[in-house]
Amino acid sequence: DQQVKQNSPSLSVQEGRISILNCDYTNSMFDYFLWYKKYPAEGPTFLISISSIKDKNEDGRFTVFLNKSAKHLSLHIVPSQPGDSAVYFCAAPSIQGAQKLVFGQGTRLTINP
Amino acid sequence: DSGVTQTPKHLITATGQRVTLRCSPRSGDLSVYWYQQSLDQGLQFLIQYYNGEERAKGNILERFSAQQFPDLHSELNLSSLELGDSALYFCASSGRGQMNTEAFFGQGTRLTVV
Repeated sequence: DQQVKQNSPSLSVQEGRISILNCDYTNSMFDYFLWYKKYPAEGPTFLISISSIKDKNEDGRFTVFLNKSAKHLSLHIVPSQPGDSAVYFCAAPSIQGAQKLVFGQGTRLTINP
Repeated sequence: DSGVTQTPKHLITATGQRVTLRCSPRSGDLSVYWYQQSLDQGLQFLIQYYNGEERAKGNILERFSAQQFPDLHSELNLSSLELGDSALYFCASSGRGQMNTEAFFGQGTRLTVV
């Protein structure tokens, strides 16, 4: 049962433009969401998070939006830079004790110069 | 550098064999988590240990087992290996048993079963 879904395996964006990565979830009990970034040959690193009491969280070029009614969140990167090329995972702590993260399948973002 | 160390980085072995993956968590972190990432798949939770005790279990096969030692390092044992076990195996650690922003991942072990 894939509770967190990223339906776009890949995304290609021009440098300087906005990148929008999407994530859907099925469990309405999730109350916290995280985005992780992963470069090849490295482990995932935390990028940004959002609590369900908010609908937006911003950190520099990165903004995460949460639409609870649609069970949808998105990560906006603006302006996109070549170093942003990576695989992005959205994740949510399990509602059972928050002892593990449930990850989406990931979206590979490529920023073209 | 996340502070989480995984060894070896690469492992190639034959079907039917047994391997052990090792993880050293960040200094002071009590929780260790193991994840599997198969080709073009997301990260699948396998198992969590907290201060030496199993805390949570995911879709971990019976052929797989793990443990956390008194010095808090952890080992993931994979036996009777099959071609489908080829994947990246990640270890993560956190200090409070909660996987919010405090979770840090190692660089992973790439296992290839031939």
